[in-house]
Amino acid sequence: SQTIHQWPATLVQPVGSPLSLECTVEGTSNPNLYWYRQAAGRGLQLLFYSVGIGQISSEVPQNLSASRPQDRQFILSSKKLLLSDSGFYLCAWSVMNTGELFFGEGSRLTVL
Amino acid sequence: TQLLEQSPQFLSIQEGENLTVYCNSSSVFSSLQWYRQEPGEGPVLLVTVVTGGEVKKLKRLTFQFGDARKDSSLHITAAQPGDTGLYLCAGPPRSARQLTFGSGTQLTVLP
Repeated sequence: SQTIHQWPATLVQPVGSPLSLECTVEGTSNPNLYWYRQAAGRGLQLLFYSVGIGQISSEVPQNLSASRPQDRQFILSSKKLLLSDSGFYLCAWSVMNTGELFFGEGSRLTVL
Repeated sequence: TQLLEQSPQFLSIQEGENLTVYCNSSSVFSSLQWYRQEPGEGPVLLVTVVTGGEVKKLKRLTFQFGDARKDSSLHITAAQPGDTGLYLCAGPPRSARQLTFGSGTQLTVLP
């Protein structure tokens, strides 16, 4: 069966520090991968998606970047965090672009 | 503006009551998905509705897709504390290549 994991679960970082959140999927090949951000108790904002290795599409211009170095690995990064980067980050995978999403456990980022 | 509007935003009810939450749009969707999310966790898919007018049941949960495929509803019968969570609808509008999410309905069922 397919599984998805992301880490770290919780992160507290100072403004201006770098960020790296990692996500891996097991049990499926060539998945579509996604990074979402969620404000407290609200809907999800799509940040990046990838349909294959090295292929990244950005939905919202911002302080973050994403990379897909391997088929089942998706990384969210920042060189210098801003206060506004605080939030709950979710990695997800799907079989097709508009298909059903399967989410990781989430990573809570607090920028101080 | 939000492509998918969910209402109500917040709902607090007693155990055993019935409730309905709504997901509305001015755009047509080829399908709509419903997710439930518990605090500190990722959303979990509940159901996908595809055909206009379709009704799907999942135990005490009934999902309906509007005839014009612009709206959907989730009805819960005899709510239980375990139903507490954030309910999100999502769908692929014709104008976009990716899913768009509604703003969510936060449901609290009190024992």
